[in-house]
Amino acid sequence: QITLKESGPTLVKPTQTLTLTCTFSGFSLSTSGVGVGWIRQPPGKPLEWLALIYWDDDKRYSPSLNSRLTITKDTSKNQVVLTMTNMDPVDTGTYYCARRVVFKGFDPWGQGTLVTVSS
Amino acid sequence: DIQLTQSPSFLSASVGDRVTITCRASQDISTYLAWYQQKPGKAPNLLIYGASTLQSGVPSRFSGSGSGTEFTLTISSLQPEDFATYYCQQLNSYLRGLTFGGGTKVEIK
Repeated sequence: QITLKESGPTLVKPTQTLTLTCTFSGFSLSTSGVGVGWIRQPPGKPLEWLALIYWDDDKRYSPSLNSRLTITKDTSKNQVVLTMTNMDPVDTGTYYCARRVVFKGFDPWGQGTLVTVSS
Repeated sequence: DIQLTQSPSFLSASVGDRVTITCRASQDISTYLAWYQQKPGKAPNLLIYGASTLQSGVPSRFSGSGSGTEFTLTISSLQPEDFATYYCQQLNSYLRGLTFGGGTKVEIK
């Protein structure tokens, strides 16, 4: 059974850096074709893809958020970490991580973690 | 970015109805399109990838079609558990963002 779970702060202040960790089980991020991505969803709004890292350490970022995002992996710990700098209240929302297999979509997803940006 | 426009944004339907949702891309994405279902308070669930390939475990009443810039998701006979919001996502270009559509909320008539 494949599972993913997001963890990190629930509240951050404007201008701070957000660090989220995705801890997964049931697959390996050293397997060819496998990746883990981050997607977020502001309250009542659509989904927005943020970043993706593959088994070979290939990293991809949303063009609109590229300058603020960093994604890394620790294969031995089965974790993927996303950092987002200069947080703003518009960044408030639920942040999900999900597995991606090449040529397929994101499946499965973690339960999500709600991050609120407020002073 | 590649823009994905879903229509309608909201639809009201009855159990047993045939439902079709459209997703239009602002440029050619071949068949690099996925569909997801999201229920309130829950994470999305992958239904279809490659525009028409049903994800394992997804009921056969769901089907996808299309290529290039025009895609559809069809539910052949709407069931009570299908009332949810549906999103399309393009998987063709990282440089233009793996964008999602705006969503289609399917509610009970």
